[in-house]
Amino acid sequence: GDSVTQMEGPVTLSEEAFLTINCTYTATGYPSLFWYVQYPGEGLQLLLKATKADDKGSNKGFEATYRKETTSFHLEKGSVQVSDSAVYFCALDQTGANNLFFGTGTRLTVIP
Amino acid sequence: DVKVTQSSRYLVKRTGEKVFLECVQDMDHENMFWYRQDPGLGLRLIYFSYDVKMKEKGDIPEGYSVSREKKERFSLILESASTNQTSMYLCASSLPTGQTYEQYFGPGTRLTVT
Repeated sequence: GDSVTQMEGPVTLSEEAFLTINCTYTATGYPSLFWYVQYPGEGLQLLLKATKADDKGSNKGFEATYRKETTSFHLEKGSVQVSDSAVYFCALDQTGANNLFFGTGTRLTVIP
Repeated sequence: DVKVTQSSRYLVKRTGEKVFLECVQDMDHENMFWYRQDPGLGLRLIYFSYDVKMKEKGDIPEGYSVSREKKERFSLILESASTNQTSMYLCASSLPTGQTYEQYFGPGTRLTVT
């Protein structure tokens, strides 16, 4: 079945460091891929998405590229800020399916 | 602005009690979802609904039921709460199946069963 494997956390970085959070997936067909972010005390919100191979999603300085050949959708940011501290979830959906499959989440802490 | 609201942020109940968690969305979305979130397990789907009075089981429906009498409201019911149902519960809504859609989440209800 469909699944998402996400980099284990927690991740602690200094401000302005480079961030990578790895995500790989297993799916039949051609899923859409998502990164959601959960700030402390809040629900999840969509950070970025990509709907087909080689698409790049981007938002708030974060980027992820849909790589079909490596079944990956790694999240990157060139210079993290303290305000980026949150839990990040990779997810996929199948077109026509009713729900998303989520990874286990990666907690990021950015220290000044 | 899109909004999904949940009736409580924190809830403490005793073992064996019947518990109702309410979720309301104001986006006229057809689909609504209930997840539970546990450390190291991510989000797991309990139930979802794609229309009024329609429901489908997710990955972990045991011990839960749902009700959707109006389009905007989706309730999660714990018939007899147990300590292993202590968790964060998240409600979400989305556009109909068949589109590449975003799910919009509420702030969550942290339920403790003692």
